[in-house]
Amino acid sequence: QKEVEQDPGPLSVPEGAIVSLNCTYSNSAFQYFMWYRQYSRKGPELLMYTYSSGNKEDGRFTAQVDKSSKYISLFIRDSQPSDSATYLCAMRGTNAGKSTFGDGTTLTVKP
Amino acid sequence: DTEVTQTPKHLVMGMTNKKSLKCEQHMGHRAMYWYKQKAKKPPELMFVYSYEKLSINESVPSRFSPECPNSSLLNLHLHALQPEDSALYLCASSQDLQTDSSSNEKLFFGSGTQLSVL
Repeated sequence: QKEVEQDPGPLSVPEGAIVSLNCTYSNSAFQYFMWYRQYSRKGPELLMYTYSSGNKEDGRFTAQVDKSSKYISLFIRDSQPSDSATYLCAMRGTNAGKSTFGDGTTLTVKP
Repeated sequence: DTEVTQTPKHLVMGMTNKKSLKCEQHMGHRAMYWYKQKAKKPPELMFVYSYEKLSINESVPSRFSPECPNSSLLNLHLHALQPEDSALYLCASSQDLQTDSSSNEKLFFGSGTQLSVL
């Protein structure tokens, strides 16, 4: 079983929709939780970072971490066609430098 | 400047060739990383340098040889690669590699080198 599970999709939504992306994990030592966005043929770009449990908001993006359920989410409000990309969750425990990535969810936002 | 610059963007090489991938950052970051990414898969960690010293080697075959000449530069030397090594090679950097610091979680990635081994 993988340490981090992420539904690969693909996920297709109309412009303006609220998008929910999720990851579950099994390693209770994970403390740092990240979401990266990756456009085709580009490197991943850090979107959101959260330490331990809680919510964090940045513009149209909200990241949630529920350590008791070992579940993290990324919400995108008022989705735009430019949000079409692959979204990767990543997390780390005590091993400095070793983030574990989910497989990524491919999102398409249709105009 | 928040960019990580990788060259070349594309590389085609034969199995007997020797080539190098280059990565540069000017953010003052002291940790630099090499990742390998296959299509529709997440990045896989290969190497991590911390303060120009190799800190992590994820049991990568010796045909991949990393080098960190200074705090801004990271190279990956390639020799006798196999077709299955064809992938997107990503360089990344972070502020440092402290275990309990949030700063090292924020990875800044380059756009990658798309490598094809024939």
